[in-house]
Amino acid sequence: KQEVTQIPAALSVPEGENLVLNCSFTDSAIYNLQWFRQDPGKGLTSLLLIQSSQREQTSGRLNASLDKSSGRSTLYIAASQPGDSATYLCAVGGFEGSQGNLIFGKGTKLSVKP
Amino acid sequence: DAGITQSPRYKITETGRQVTLMCHQTWSHSYMFWYRQDLGHGLRLIYYSAAADITDKGEVPDGYVVSRSKTENFPLTLESATRSQTSVYFCASSRGTGELFFGEGSRLTVL
Repeated sequence: KQEVTQIPAALSVPEGENLVLNCSFTDSAIYNLQWFRQDPGKGLTSLLLIQSSQREQTSGRLNASLDKSSGRSTLYIAASQPGDSATYLCAVGGFEGSQGNLIFGKGTKLSVKP
Repeated sequence: DAGITQSPRYKITETGRQVTLMCHQTWSHSYMFWYRQDLGHGLRLIYYSAAADITDKGEVPDGYVVSRSKTENFPLTLESATRSQTSVYFCASSRGTGELFFGEGSRLTVL
């Protein structure tokens, strides 16, 4: 059974720091991997979607990498800002056609201090 | 406004009552999903639908019923609510690329 782990569970950094969030998964046979952001009391916002054939995706200050063979993904946030404070969730899709049957990690709660 | 909306946003009910959570999306996405989010468990898939009149179970379907008579709507019904169904419920949709779009959530408390 696929398991997704995110370490650390919480992270506090000063504004301006570059940081890395980690996600690991036990079964390398994934279809895709997504990173989401969740603000308190809100829904999830998709940040980056990496298909299994891709190594990385970039959007603005965010860069996500995928290493299927080692079962790892990282989300890199450059020049962090207080507005980046949120919980970041990693989720893996198991197979083509699973469309939303994602397995989620429990998230990393990020706090960026001004 | 276009998007995915859930109602009600907050609901308190009693054990044994029937509750329906509504989900409506304006993108005409084929796929729709219901997740629940609980401390210690994260997000888990309850049911999903690939198209109108096509639904399938997810990881935790027991105690829930869904229907999808129209592409844009995907209601979730708790036929006889239990305390263990106290949770935050999220509806999501996808156009089939694998990218999911989530609603704001419905916080349900069962007393």
